[in-house]
Order: sequence, then structure tokens, then C-alpha cells
Amino acid sequence: GQQLNQSPQSMFIQEGEDVSMNCTSSSIFNTWLWYKQDPGEGPVLLIALYKAGELTSNGRLTAQFGITRKDSFLNISASIPSDVGIYFCAGYPTNAGGTSYGKLTFGQGTILTVHP
Amino acid sequence: DVKVTQSSRYLVKRTGEKVFLECVQDMDHENMFWYRQDPGLGLRLIYFSYDVKMKEKGDIPEGYSVSREKKERFSLILESASTNQTSMYLCASRKKMNTEAFFGQGTRLTVV
Repeated sequence: GQQLNQSPQSMFIQEGEDVSMNCTSSSIFNTWLWYKQDPGEGPVLLIALYKAGELTSNGRLTAQFGITRKDSFLNISASIPSDVGIYFCAGYPTNAGGTSYGKLTFGQGTILTVHP
Repeated sequence: DVKVTQSSRYLVKRTGEKVFLECVQDMDHENMFWYRQDPGLGLRLIYFSYDVKMKEKGDIPEGYSVSREKKERFSLILESASTNQTSMYLCASRKKMNTEAFFGQGTRLTVV
């Protein structure tokens, strides 16, 4: 099935550093979502993007919906230890006619480790 | 706040057993989903339901079935559990298409 390509697969950073991760697809998406999963828990929504070119912030997090509608990125500024977890991009792909399938599709995840 | 509750956090079952994973949401959402999560593979869609008694196969439906008799409850059934179904199972719900989905806490299933 449709799969998003998310990179990097993992990151090891020092506290205070900025983080950037991205997602790409061969299909057009009409919605992009970014989730964070803490160990042993379900994913929690961080940011939702609904329009091409949209740039949205949530505290230290910033995400953008790519102009081509085939990519999105997430930035975390000034990382802290509680940012540790798995970050997933997700979205709704569309067919050639622009209709969404409604099937929420996920990337493989980026495992973030923050060293104090 | 939306609440999606999965009946068990951890389950251990034997090969060949019939297994039921239950999910309940309290926000009158039409759509519900079941995913499984494996390291390096992200979340893969097993089944989803647009409304009561409606279901559609996801990307990996083999070995699974689902039931949606009431709007708030979506059950995942493993007809005959196998060791390759050992995984984390996540349920999600959303109000309508193309909106954000809300997840339960997950059920870690081990089949021995």
C-alpha cells in the first residue's frame, strides 16, 4: 500500500539543538499530520496542515505543508529531554482525480534521542 | 477531550487462539481504524470503518477481521493467532474524512 518516506530514521542530539525531519511521497496529499509517540503510549497529534504552503507552529514545533503537496517537514527548536520519542508523519493521499481515499497513511517514524 | 480506550494494555495468547481486541471512543466519531506497529515499519492499516456495520480492508488485512455493531465500538479479531501477529495494535477514531485521528494507548499482543 501507499507509504510515506520519512527521514531520518533516527537522530541522536544534544539538548538545546534544533531538529529537522521530513516526509515525502510520490502521491499528492491533501492533509498532513505530525504525531509524537512516547514509549508505551499511542501517538498524539502535534500539528495538522490542510493547505499547500501552510506553515504552522505549536510552541517549539514548526511544520510546513510543501507547495507540491508531496512533502512536509517538522522542525523542533531548542530540544529538551522530554522531546524523546518517535515522530510520525501521516496524511491522506489522493487519486489522480484529486479525491482522497480517506485512508490515513503513516511514515516509518523518526526515533529521537536527546542527550542532556 | 476525545478519549479512545483500548481494553487491554498487554495480552499474551497462545498460537491458534481466537483473540478479540476492543476499542471504544466517546466522541461520536464516524470513522474508526485498526493499525499494527512494528519497528522500522511505522503504522500499517489493518482495517477501517466509515460507519456502523461498514468496514473496509486496509493494507494488511490477512489473518484479521473486524466488527462494528455500535458506533462507539470497533473490535479487531484474530481468528487463529499466530506468532507473526505479535505486535503493538493501535486503534484510532476521527470525526470525518481528512481530519485528524485520535489514538488509543495501544495493546501490546504477544502470541506464544
